Amino acid sequence: DAGVIQSPRHEVTEMGQEVTLRCKPISGHDYLFWYRQTMMRGLELLIYFNNNVPIDDSGMPEDRFSAKMPNASFSTLKIQPSEPRDSAVYFCASSPGGTSADEQYFGPGTRLTVT
Amino acid sequence: SQKIEQNSEALNIQEGKTATLTCNYTNYSPAYLQWYRQDPGRGPVFLLLIRENEKEKRKERLKVTFDTTLKQSLFHITASQPADSATYLCALSNNNDMRFGAGTRLTVKP
Repeated sequence: DAGVIQSPRHEVTEMGQEVTLRCKPISGHDYLFWYRQTMMRGLELLIYFNNNVPIDDSGMPEDRFSAKMPNASFSTLKIQPSEPRDSAVYFCASSPGGTSADEQYFGPGTRLTVT
Repeated sequence: SQKIEQNSEALNIQEGKTATLTCNYTNYSPAYLQWYRQDPGRGPVFLLLIRENEKEKRKERLKVTFDTTLKQSLFHITASQPADSATYLCALSNNNDMRFGAGTRLTVKP
C-alpha cells in the first residue's frame, strides 16, 4: 500500500480565499483523522471519522473549517475564508483499529501558508 | 484542564548511550499511551502502544513503561545511533480522544 496520501503538499494562498486539502487513507482503515501542527500549539486533533461518519469535531477551531468524507477512500478539509493564523501543517491519518485510540498512520502533510 | 508534558524540548546524548524521554500527564485517564517518531518535514510514525494495564513493552532497542499512579511514561532507546535523531511525541488516548505532547527533539552525536 502507498500509505496515506495527501494533496497538495504545499499550498500558498491569500487571506480570504477558499482552501481545500485532500486525503486518501490506507485501504481498509476504518478511522480517518485530521490534525493541525504548529510550533506554538503542537499537534492538535481537528476531527475524526469512523466508517465515513464524523464522530468528534470538537477540535475544529471555528465555522470556517469543515470536513467531509464522501466515501471510504477520500476526505477533504476545507477552510473558507482562510486567514493568516490558519498557516500550519495539516496532517491526515488513518487507523485500522477497533477504536479511535489505536495506532495511526500519518500522511506527509500539507504545508499551508496564508498571506 | 488536561495537560501532557514531555520532559524537555531537546535532549542531546552520545552515540551508544541510552536515551530516556519522559511523558507526564495530568487531569487525564488514558486507556492507551503511544509513542511516535517525527522527522523534519514528515508525518509522525507510530512506534509503540502500551495499555493502561501493561507496565512495560519492548520492541528491538525501544522500551516503554507506563505508570498510571505516577501518571508517567518513560521511553528508552538503548545503544542509541545518530539515525535515532528525531522528535519523539507521546500520545494519550481513550476510546473517544487522542492528545499529543509537544515532543522532545533527540540528537544523538557520533
